[in-house]
Amino acid sequence: AQTVTQSQPEMSVQEAETVTLSCTYDTSESDYYLFWYKQPPSRQMILVIRQEAYKQQNATENRFSVNFQKAAKSFSLKISDSQLGDAAMYFCAYTGANSKLTFGKGITLSVRP
Amino acid sequence: KAGVTQTPRYLIKTRGQQVTLSCSPISGHRSVSWYQQTPGQGLQFLFEYFSETQRNKGNFPGRFSGRQFSNSRSEMNVSTLELGDSALYLCASSSSPHNAYEQYFGPGTRLTVT
Repeated sequence: AQTVTQSQPEMSVQEAETVTLSCTYDTSESDYYLFWYKQPPSRQMILVIRQEAYKQQNATENRFSVNFQKAAKSFSLKISDSQLGDAAMYFCAYTGANSKLTFGKGITLSVRP
Repeated sequence: KAGVTQTPRYLIKTRGQQVTLSCSPISGHRSVSWYQQTPGQGLQFLFEYFSETQRNKGNFPGRFSGRQFSNSRSEMNVSTLELGDSALYLCASSSSPHNAYEQYFGPGTRLTVT
């Protein structure tokens, strides 16, 4: 079975600084997708960024980028120029052949003004 | 395009009762998945429906059931509610199971069991 591990429960970053959120996963599949989702206090789950396993190039979306290390099964999210609106819970997730999403426990990110 | 909608948004039920939650996917999406989110267990997969058929089921007791209608709207039902069923229930839609990498979530239904 696939597992996703987020070992840091909380992180804090100063506004305008950069922060990296860590995630590791375990799978025997070769074709899969990895995601970072943001869940603000409104509880709406928002897709931040997506990475296809067979693509070596790291995905980027504006201030958000990932460091995908397939051999190490590591998938970290870097948030540059952090903004107050980035404060939320962030979930790392995996989907493979069975199309269900497997989530990590999440990390609460706070942004200090 | 309208997003995924879930009704009701909030619900309070008593132990032993049953509850039905509804999810309307994005127009054109035919796959709907349900997830339970609790502080203790995090986000857990309940089940997935595509073309009115259940494709996948998570590790939940038989009290949790669901169905999908011909217009792709989905309902999930929980019978004989327990305190531990208090959770945020999220549904997500995608155009098909093969496009599970593009799952869009609804705002969730907050269920409180007293």
